[in-house]
Amino acid sequence: AQSVTQLGSHVSVSEGALVLLRCNYSSSVPPYLFWYVQYPNQGLQLLLKYTTGATLVKGINGFEAEFKKSETSFHLTKPSAHMSDAAEYFCAVRVNYGGSQGNLIFGKGTKLSVKP
Amino acid sequence: DAGVIQSPRHEVTEMGQEVTLRCKPISGHDYLFWYRQTMMRGLELLIYFNNNVPIDDSGMPEDRFSAKMPNASFSTLKIQPSEPRDSAVYFCASSGDRKNIQYFGAGTRLSVL
Repeated sequence: AQSVTQLGSHVSVSEGALVLLRCNYSSSVPPYLFWYVQYPNQGLQLLLKYTTGATLVKGINGFEAEFKKSETSFHLTKPSAHMSDAAEYFCAVRVNYGGSQGNLIFGKGTKLSVKP
Repeated sequence: DAGVIQSPRHEVTEMGQEVTLRCKPISGHDYLFWYRQTMMRGLELLIYFNNNVPIDDSGMPEDRFSAKMPNASFSTLKIQPSEPRDSAVYFCASSGDRKNIQYFGAGTRLSVL
């Protein structure tokens, strides 16, 4: 069965610094990978997704993630943090079994704090 | 598009009472999901529907939980009787592209006293 591990439940960076949120997955078949963001008191919004093709995926708000099969990773990065990036970020995986699509499996989330 | 609409946003009830959470998916979406979010367990899928039919309810914790989707624009999640351990944020999400991208509502924060 597939699973997702997010390293670090809390990450704190200074405004303007690099943001790196780590995600590792476990799957016996090629996965679809997603990053969602949750702002306080709101639902989850899709940041970016990887299905097939180019392994470097660009999303909204300057975020990007790279699928590395050899490392079973899908880390999320942003070159320069902004105060508005403070939120909780969820990595998710989904695999397809033949013609049947599996469910999204979410990591536990990483709360990002941005210091002025 | 108004997005996925959930009501109420907050619900406070006493143990033993019936609770009904409501969801209106994005028009045209044929998949609807109910999730529960807690600090301890994170985000868990409870049940999902395709074309108003329940497909997978293996995440429903016990018989006290039930979900219905009487038509394409409305779904309910009911807890009867409610217990303090049901306190959580409940999210509804919908998808129109074979479950690839899910759009989430703002959630209902349930507190059972």
